[in-house]
Amino acid sequence: LAKTTQPISMDSYEGQEVNITCSHNNIATNDYITWYQQFPSQGPRFIIQGYKTKVTNEVASLFIPADRKSSTLSLPRVSLSDTAVYYCLVGINTDKLIFGTGTRLQVFP
Amino acid sequence: AAGVIQSPRHLIKEKRETATLKCYPIPRHDTVYWYQQGPGQDPQFLISFYEKMQSDKGSIPDRFSAQQFSDYHSELNMSSLELGDSALYFCASSLLAGEANEQFFGPGTRLTVL
Repeated sequence: LAKTTQPISMDSYEGQEVNITCSHNNIATNDYITWYQQFPSQGPRFIIQGYKTKVTNEVASLFIPADRKSSTLSLPRVSLSDTAVYYCLVGINTDKLIFGTGTRLQVFP
Repeated sequence: AAGVIQSPRHLIKEKRETATLKCYPIPRHDTVYWYQQGPGQDPQFLISFYEKMQSDKGSIPDRFSAQQFSDYHSELNMSSLELGDSALYFCASSLLAGEANEQFFGPGTRLTVL
């Protein structure tokens, strides 16, 4: 399974755009890149998934360069409620989730 | 929309006791996963079931067992409980044939072993 590396923590202010980059140098051909969000004492929640290029949904955008060795989760105009841990996961589409150390995002007023 | 249901939400046990955690997946989902999250830790995969058959196994202790029943609900049985078993236990379900393997997590069961 491809190992991921992401910043341990990030700070931002309300209304700003937040970009969290994840490195996955040994990503396999069949691997997808998936991001989950977790609030304290709650189960993780799926945010977005992509294979290559750019994916956008109502919550976030995911940018994946051509070599797929990294990816960037972009959260537009964050609010206080976006304070959470964000996990980048890499694996085949039907597999268990292997959580690494996520990024703790703190949004300040 | 229906979500994953877990019961109980909180459980307090003594060392060496047994515990049973239940999970009711989203209707029509065919796959159930169990994860353990210790205090300050990241979720760790324990075991999964697809169509009532064990499909994968992670770092699940031999003291733990799980199964999925004909109605698709799943139970995680934990015996000879240890202090280190205190954690949040999440169940997640997904539709394997879905386009993206989006796993839907339940609210978790907080197990405290005294």
